[in-house]
Amino acid sequence: DTEVTQTPKHLVMGMTNKKSLKCEQHMGHRAMYWYKQKAKKPPELMFVYSYEKLSINESVPSRFSPECPNSSLLNLHLHALQPEDSALYLCASSHRSPYSGLAGGLADTQYFGPGTRLTVL
Amino acid sequence: AQSVSQHNHHVILSEAASLELGCNYSYGGTVNLFWYVQYPGQHLQLLLKYFSGDPLVKGIKGFEAEFIKSKFSFNLRKPSVQWSDTAEYFCAVNAVRYGGSQGNLIFGKGTKLSVKP
Repeated sequence: DTEVTQTPKHLVMGMTNKKSLKCEQHMGHRAMYWYKQKAKKPPELMFVYSYEKLSINESVPSRFSPECPNSSLLNLHLHALQPEDSALYLCASSHRSPYSGLAGGLADTQYFGPGTRLTVL
Repeated sequence: AQSVSQHNHHVILSEAASLELGCNYSYGGTVNLFWYVQYPGQHLQLLLKYFSGDPLVKGIKGFEAEFIKSKFSFNLRKPSVQWSDTAEYFCAVNAVRYGGSQGNLIFGKGTKLSVKP
């Protein structure tokens, strides 16, 4: 099973709202990722969690707050977003982490979820 | 810094035509290479990948890609396309580094393939 699930599928929120996006995988993967994809553009990396620790924050504004409660779950908390934050938010996971330190930066296949289509009014 | 170039923004083919989508990357070291496909309204799916070994890689749905190290290329091919291949195709590269340094997946800008029935 190479499935990454994301909820909700669609989300509409106002600029003063607080909401959360959820991602789940049960493949035993130890690296999880958040990407942002604008229309007709490639995915852009936002955050990487490696063994439930934040490894990479690609200069993402603080109105986006990631959380990894356990090895299967990844959340993205949203607060005070702007209309330009409207996009498809993708979660991905991979078996090995490129940021493990001890094992070295070995890359691995990332499996993507279906995404959450976010609209900020 | 790594970068990935996909030369074709939009390719339009008739069914049964042959397909080749170009992908070039810039990085002098060892890389892992991927092609992902995004069908309309669907999520990114892995078509094929190259980590090491035979540079000619076969993927799902009759796709294949060839890694040519000297040309820094990883072009995607299919001998005969179908209408159902209409989708956006993304090439992605991950630099293999050791010692715990970064290995981000870098995507190209994508190529939209439209297949006319």
